[in-house]
Amino acid sequence: TQLLEQSPQFLSIQEGENLTVYCNSSSVFSSLQWYRQEPGEGPVLLVTVVTGGEVKKLKRLTFQFGDARKDSSLHITAAQPGDTGLYLCGSGTYKYIFGTGTRLKVLA
Amino acid sequence: NAGVTQTPKFQVLKTGQSMTLQCAQDMNHNSMYWYRQDPGMGLRLIYYSASEGTTDKGEVPNGYNVSRLNKREFSLRLESAAPSQTSVYFCASSASTGGPNTEAFFGQGTRLTVV
Repeated sequence: TQLLEQSPQFLSIQEGENLTVYCNSSSVFSSLQWYRQEPGEGPVLLVTVVTGGEVKKLKRLTFQFGDARKDSSLHITAAQPGDTGLYLCGSGTYKYIFGTGTRLKVLA
Repeated sequence: NAGVTQTPKFQVLKTGQSMTLQCAQDMNHNSMYWYRQDPGMGLRLIYYSASEGTTDKGEVPNGYNVSRLNKREFSLRLESAAPSQTSVYFCASSASTGGPNTEAFFGQGTRLTVV
């Protein structure tokens, strides 16, 4: 059974700082998605990575997919209070599971 | 564009009562899922349905049953609610191709309290 582990579990930083969140699996991903969830809402897709070594950018967010497709990272440059939320990685062809989540709080 | 629709949005049950959470999607997706999310936690898979007519257990299936009524609808039933089932429940669907279209789309959630 594939497991997704995220680290860190919690992160509280000042506005303007950089941060990286990690997602690791016990097996190879077919594809991997990153989501952000805000209080009272369902998760919303940020990006999908498919190819080993792939790098995708979404404004200040940079997503990397490991060469072996067993790990991924999300890097935020110059974090802003609007980045506050729960970041989740998810994967699965039929049985879709999520990582444990990273709760980010960006202080003004 | 409705996407994934869940009902109800809020529910309070007494211990031992039963209820069914309804979910419908209009994206012609093959796969549908039910998750629970406890405070400050990630999403845990309760049951999923890879296609119409099939259902499988996820990570935390005890105390729940599901029905894939047709391709659009996937319901979750609590036969005898317990306080440990107090949580936010999310329904989701995906195209399940294993490629770029495997992302999950979510409903707005059902906040369930069992007293």
